[in-house]
Amino acid sequence: DSGVTQTPKHLITATGQRVTLRCSPRSGDLSVYWYQQSLDQGLQFLIQYYNGEERAKGNILERFSAQQFPDLHSELNLSSLELGDSALYFCASSVGGTLGTDTQYFGPGTRLTVL
Amino acid sequence: GQQLNQSPQSMFIQEGEDVSMNCTSSSIFNTWLWYKQDPGEGPVLLIALYKAGELTSNGRLTAQFGITRKDSFLNISASIPSDVGIYFCAGLIKGAQKLVFGQGTRLTINP
Repeated sequence: DSGVTQTPKHLITATGQRVTLRCSPRSGDLSVYWYQQSLDQGLQFLIQYYNGEERAKGNILERFSAQQFPDLHSELNLSSLELGDSALYFCASSVGGTLGTDTQYFGPGTRLTVL
Repeated sequence: GQQLNQSPQSMFIQEGEDVSMNCTSSSIFNTWLWYKQDPGEGPVLLIALYKAGELTSNGRLTAQFGITRKDSFLNISASIPSDVGIYFCAGLIKGAQKLVFGQGTRLTINP
């Protein structure tokens, strides 16, 4: 158990819909990262927040957005969903905000299925 | 965009054998990371490399940051059943704040 929690564990929805994935970082961690893992694209870094502010941006689509709240939990919003958005979405957290240097602890993931 | 070529894609070995996998790229990276992912779990960081030529060990695992900064390898010695899983490399381009992952190497061990 990494100490990072993600909800829900599974999500099934239809094309065109909007969903929100939630992540609670480990106690004391200020950074939250979001990743997408799909069969064809592999593991992709989406975005990082540090203490409420966006710190780094990866391959995040414009239909996707994220935020980190004052209590440090984060939400990833996916809108106008397409079949290709079906994937495992991981959240990770770290103490510091330096991408690649601070050890990231991954949550168990949310499996999104778009029908 | 930056691409990482990870090979092999899969390996089937006998328990006790040594394992070697690598990642190469046409881009230069400032940091190399190696992760392991068990089924149904998120990736777990195994080794982080920060300097060209750096060789770092973590138990039976050894990883090296290539001199050209365009490649890295991971070796596992005397494999055991719990080594089964998918291993990912990741490279960081510091200035660009880009973290790129390889496609993974799926390791299967026959007892």
